Amino acid sequence: DTEVTQTPKHLVMGMTNKKSLKCEQHMGHRAMYWYKQKAKKPPELMFVYSYEKLSINESVPSRFSPECPNSSLLNLHLHALQPEDSALYLCASSQGQGSSGNTIYFGEGSWLTVV
Amino acid sequence: AQSVTQLGSHVSVSEGALVLLRCNYSSSVPPYLFWYVQYPNQGLQLLLKYTSAATLVKGINGFEAEFKKSETSFHLTKPSAHMSDAAEYFCAVFIEGAQKLVFGQGTRLTINP
Repeated sequence: DTEVTQTPKHLVMGMTNKKSLKCEQHMGHRAMYWYKQKAKKPPELMFVYSYEKLSINESVPSRFSPECPNSSLLNLHLHALQPEDSALYLCASSQGQGSSGNTIYFGEGSWLTVV
Repeated sequence: AQSVTQLGSHVSVSEGALVLLRCNYSSSVPPYLFWYVQYPNQGLQLLLKYTSAATLVKGINGFEAEFKKSETSFHLTKPSAHMSDAAEYFCAVFIEGAQKLVFGQGTRLTINP
């Protein structure tokens, strides 16, 4: 089983709203990731959690706030977003961040539209 | 710095024809390379990965890729295209120093009936 589950699949939110994207994996992976993908572009890394601790923040604006409640769950809290933040948000996981040979498995993504 | 470059943002082939998607890497050390596929409105699915165990790597759905150090290439091939292969394909490299996966710009594969 190589499944990463993301909810919701689609989210429309206003610029003053607070919402969250959720991600879950039950593969025993200890590294989890958030990527952002704009239309017709490759995914870009936002955050990496390793053993439930934030290890990489790619200079993401503070209106995006990640959280890793436990080794299986990863959240992305959204507040005061801008229309240009509309994108596909991909969650991913891998056995461990430190081993380059580990495969990173992606979820189906959450389509976010900010109005 | 490690990176990958995908040659051709759009490739179109006929059903049953050879598929060749090009990827060149830039790395001073042996790279960890991946090919992912993204079907319309979906997430990314791993096709195959190179981790130095073998230069010819076989993946899912009949795809394979050959690592050629002399050409710094990791091109993706499939002998006979199916309509279901129409998708966006991304080559990616794992950057050791930054501990992250970095993608090429992607190649959109179109299959003509």
